[in-house]
Amino acid sequence: AQTVTQSQPEMSVQEAETVTLSCTYDTSESDYYLFWYKQPPSRQMILVIRQEAYKQQNATENRFSVNFQKAAKSFSLKISDSQLGDAAMYFCAYRSANTGNQFYFGTGTSLTVIP
Amino acid sequence: DTAVSQTPKYLVTQMGNDKSIKCEQNLGHDTMYWYKQDSKKFLKIMFSYNNKELIINETVPNRFSPKSPDKAHLNLHINSLELGDSAVYFCASSQYGGAARTGELFFGEGSRLTVL
Repeated sequence: AQTVTQSQPEMSVQEAETVTLSCTYDTSESDYYLFWYKQPPSRQMILVIRQEAYKQQNATENRFSVNFQKAAKSFSLKISDSQLGDAAMYFCAYRSANTGNQFYFGTGTSLTVIP
Repeated sequence: DTAVSQTPKYLVTQMGNDKSIKCEQNLGHDTMYWYKQDSKKFLKIMFSYNNKELIINETVPNRFSPKSPDKAHLNLHINSLELGDSAVYFCASSQYGGAARTGELFFGEGSRLTVL
């Protein structure tokens, strides 16, 4: 089974600053999807950004962008101009494009935003 | 319109009781899931159904029984509740097959189960 590793259980950032959350994964497949989900205290799981492995261009969504390094199996999330509402748990996730319905989640990174 | 809705949002019950959580999705997806999130926030897959067929059945006590009457609904019934069953249970859906596949998982709001 694929594994997804988030090595930072907790991170903090000053409001308006930039923070990067790391994620690495292990797979032998070439076609897959990667995701970052946000879970605020309300507990709703919200999709932040997605990346298709065949696309070389890094995905961006407003202040959120990823650094996708396919050869290194790395998928980090950069949050620019951090806001208080960004405080949440962030989960990295992997899904094969071909071999099944299974999603693999990392253990999460708790992000604190300091005013 | 809520894409994935689950009810109830909160359950508080005594050990030994039986409870059910219902889930419905209006996205037209072919695959639905149940995840358990423990107190450390770990997300663990429990079950997955594709077009009403069970396709993922992780190591879960047989006190947990999923039921999918149609591809838009996936319910979870738990018998003889134990203290360790206290958690947040998430229903989710995705589109696996066909041109409509976009890849991501859509989550319900979660149901917090507390067993006393």
